[in-house]
Amino acid sequence: SQQGEEDPQALSIQEGENATMNCSYKTSINNLQWYRQNSGRGLVHLILIRSNEREKHSGRLRVTLDTSKKSSSLLITASRAADTASYFCATGGQGAQKLVFGQGTRLTINP
Amino acid sequence: ETGVTQSPTHLIKTRGQQVTLRCSSQSGHNTVSWYQQALGQGPQFIFQYYREEENGRGNFPPRFSGLQFPNYSSELNVNALELDDSALYLCASSPEGTGVYNEQFFGPGTRLTVL
Repeated sequence: SQQGEEDPQALSIQEGENATMNCSYKTSINNLQWYRQNSGRGLVHLILIRSNEREKHSGRLRVTLDTSKKSSSLLITASRAADTASYFCATGGQGAQKLVFGQGTRLTINP
Repeated sequence: ETGVTQSPTHLIKTRGQQVTLRCSSQSGHNTVSWYQQALGQGPQFIFQYYREEENGRGNFPPRFSGLQFPNYSSELNVNALELDDSALYLCASSPEGTGVYNEQFFGPGTRLTVL
C-alpha cells in the first residue's frame, strides 16, 4: 500500500503558468522527497525537505512541508514544455530503509 | 562518475518462467534498493541491500529474491512469473548506508512484460 496521495492526479496548464501539486501522507517522517519521471522511465530526484524544515527552494521549484497537517506542496514557477512529466512525492520514515511513494501527479504543459 | 545502469531495458517472459534483472550502482554507493512500478502507479519498495546483505524488505512474496555483489552491483530474481509481475522495475542506489535519509539515485528501469 502507498502512503502518499498526490492531488491532483492530473494537471494541464499553459506554458509560463505556475503548477502546484500537493501530497499528503499518513505516518511520521524523517524527510519528504519529490521526484520527476518522464514517459515511464527512471525517476529523477528534484528536492528533499527534512521534517524540521518548512520551505525549500531549488531554481524554479519551491517545496513546503507542514508536518502538523502531514502535507507538502511542490510549486513549479514559469512552467516550460520540458516540465511535462509525472511528479511523485516520497516519504522516508524514521529508521526505515524504504521510500514510500504516492501515486503521482501527471503534469502536462501546453505550448 | 557513472550513474545507475540497469539491464536489460525491456524483457518479455511467459507465465511461470524465471527472470533476472541487473543493476550497477553509482560509483561510491554501497546501498541498492529495488522498486516495482505498475502502470499508472507509484513505485513500491521490494527490498534493499547494504554491503551484500538484505537490509529491509517490502510486502513481496519470497519468489522475489536478490543479491548484491562485492562491487555493489545487484540482481533481482523473480521465480514463477505471474501476469501481475508485469511492471517497470527500478533500481536505486545511495551512498554509505544512508538509506532513505538522502536522495536516491535511480536507474532507467527494466520494463518486464509477462504474457
